[in-house]
Amino acid sequence: GAVVSQHPSWVICKSGTSVKIECRSLDFQATTMFWYRQFPKQSLMLMATSNEGSKATYEQGVEKDKFLINHASLTLSTLTVTSAHPEDSSFYICSASPVTSGSQGYEQYFGPGTRLTVT
Amino acid sequence: DAKTTQPNSMESNEEEPVHLPCNHSTISGTDYIHWYRQLPSQGPEYVIHGLTSNVNNRMASLAIAEDRKSSTLILHRATLRDAAVYYCILSAFGNEKLTFGTGTRLTIIP
Repeated sequence: GAVVSQHPSWVICKSGTSVKIECRSLDFQATTMFWYRQFPKQSLMLMATSNEGSKATYEQGVEKDKFLINHASLTLSTLTVTSAHPEDSSFYICSASPVTSGSQGYEQYFGPGTRLTVT
Repeated sequence: DAKTTQPNSMESNEEEPVHLPCNHSTISGTDYIHWYRQLPSQGPEYVIHGLTSNVNNRMASLAIAEDRKSSTLILHRATLRDAAVYYCILSAFGNEKLTFGTGTRLTIIP
């Protein structure tokens, strides 16, 4: 159980175009999902917290107009990279916490990641 | 969030136990200790978490010092598939956000 999927697993796009990445919790519901970015040989950096039915909360330094997040249901969050540029090339990873995590501390389940290359 | 300190890298022989240390001297009373690991080109994988008492699950054991200023992740019998970067992360109760540090890169020697 507790599987998170991402689609696509990899994508190549031209500079100036937009790319949408989907994150789905397959066997549990998640009111909160998180989006991370990871550059080669670096650690994960939290970009934003996505809450179902409300606006995402972005970390400092992350452009909310460039990285659009939609969390339309308890099992789906999407990240759209708008007007992508080569410096946006990275490994994008989402995670989700089951709604039952509660007072026992939070287990987060991560997707397999999406590798974005902007040419 | 309170900070954690881990060694950059460790090596261990296959089929032997591995003890991965983590220091968190500024931990607060409500901080949970989480361990995740990341295999190459994959998303992180939950390993274990705890608050005060030692914890065991099918993947590993978590030993928490009595003063909670350090903890140790124990892999009882390392396999080649355990080669990964292991992250020790603190999160306050009620806060789901995880802040990843640089972690420990574990190499398993056949």
